[in-house]
Amino acid sequence: AQTVTQSQPEMSVQEAETVTLSCTYDTSESDYYLFWYKQPPSRQMILVIRQEAYKQQNATENRFSVNFQKAAKSFSLKISDSQLGDAAMYFCAYSLHDMRFGAGTRLTVKP
Amino acid sequence: EAQVTQNPRYLITVTGKKLTVTCSQNMNHEYMSWYRQDPGLGLRQIYYSMNVEVTDKGDVPEGYKVSRKEKRNFPLILESPSPNQTSLYFCASSPSGPFFYGYTFGSGTRLTVV
Repeated sequence: AQTVTQSQPEMSVQEAETVTLSCTYDTSESDYYLFWYKQPPSRQMILVIRQEAYKQQNATENRFSVNFQKAAKSFSLKISDSQLGDAAMYFCAYSLHDMRFGAGTRLTVKP
Repeated sequence: EAQVTQNPRYLITVTGKKLTVTCSQNMNHEYMSWYRQDPGLGLRQIYYSMNVEVTDKGDVPEGYKVSRKEKRNFPLILESPSPNQTSLYFCASSPSGPFFYGYTFGSGTRLTVV
């Protein structure tokens, strides 16, 4: 079964700085999808960014971008110009026939 | 507004007392799923449904039941809840599977079994 590993249970960043959250996954498939979800204290799950494995270009959504390394099975999330509202739990997810989530990284943003 | 509506938001119950968590989506999605979220474990799939009357087990189905009699509704049933089912539960839906579109999630149900 595919597994998703987020090795950083907690991270912190200073407001306006950049932070990178790590994610690795295990799969033998060549076509699949990867996601980052944000879960603020309201606990609502919000889709941040999505990457299709067959696309070499890294996905970008405003201040959020990914570094997708297919051979290394790595999918990190970079948050630029961090804001207080970015404080949340972030989940990495792998999807093909179902969706599998990592354990999450709790991001704290310091003013 | 396109959404997944999940109720109740909070629930405290006693061991063995049957309960149902409701889930409804208004997006005509084929695929619906239930997850539980536990600290250090992320979200784990309980059951999923690819269409009406089609359901299947996820990774942690023990102690849970589901049904999909209508496309929009996918309730989660705990026939005899136990304390190890204390968790945060999410219902989610997707047009035809989570692989391309990802999920639209409900707002979660915090269940405590005492």
